[in-house]
Amino acid sequence: DTGVSQNPRHKITKRGQNVTFRCDPISEHNRLYWYRQTLGQGPEFLTYFQNEAQLEKSRLLSDRFSAERPKGSFSTLEIQRTEQGDSAMYLCASKSDDNEKLFFGSGTQLSVL
Amino acid sequence: QQPVQSPQAVILREGEDAVINCSSSKALYSVHWYRQKHGEAPVFLMILLKGGEQKGHEKISASFNEKKQQSSLYLTASQLSYSGTYFCGTEIFGDSSYKLIFGSGTRLLVRP
Repeated sequence: DTGVSQNPRHKITKRGQNVTFRCDPISEHNRLYWYRQTLGQGPEFLTYFQNEAQLEKSRLLSDRFSAERPKGSFSTLEIQRTEQGDSAMYLCASKSDDNEKLFFGSGTQLSVL
Repeated sequence: QQPVQSPQAVILREGEDAVINCSSSKALYSVHWYRQKHGEAPVFLMILLKGGEQKGHEKISASFNEKKQQSSLYLTASQLSYSGTYFCGTEIFGDSSYKLIFGSGTRLLVRP
C-alpha cells in the first residue's frame, strides 16, 4: 500500500493560465474523489469517479474545472483560465467498495497570482 | 447539508479531556472522523456506522446517535500530539457515491 499520490505538491500560476493536477490512487481502489480545501475550512467535495466513469460533480463547480480518469487508474483535474479565487489545497482521495475508509493524498497547493 | 461542528476551537492543558460534536440535518449512513495538521493531509481516525455505537482508538473514542444525527468525539488525557484540526465527514443515507461531506472543523491546541 503506497498510499494516494498527488503531483505537484505546489503550483504557482498567474491568473488566466491553465493548470493540471494528477492523482494516483491506491491501486485496487475503484472510487476516486476530488476535494478542495481553503484555509480554516473543511474539504469541499468537487467530483467523484467510480472506475473511469465520472458519476457526480458538485453544482458549485465552475465549467472551468474538468476531471478525467482514463482507464480507471490515475485521475487529472484541470482548471482553465485560473482565477485568484481558485487558490486552495486540492485533495484527492480513494476507497474500495469493501472498505469504508477514505484515504487522502497530501494534496496540491495552488496559488493563483 | 454540511454538518455543524462545535466548538470551533479548544485549548487544553496536556492531560485534560475534550469533546467535539458533529450534527447533521440529514439522515446519516455513517460518520467519519479525521485529524489534520497544518500543511498535511487529513488522517483517518475512525468510522461510526451504527446508532449508538462507540469506537475507540487509544485514548480517542467516538459515539454516533443515529436518531439525533449526531456524533461526538471524545479525547481523554490529551497529549501534545493531539493538536490539530478535527473534521467530521458524513455520508448521507441513500447516497450511492459514498462521498463525505465535511464540517468546517474544530481546532484543538494542547499545551504543556
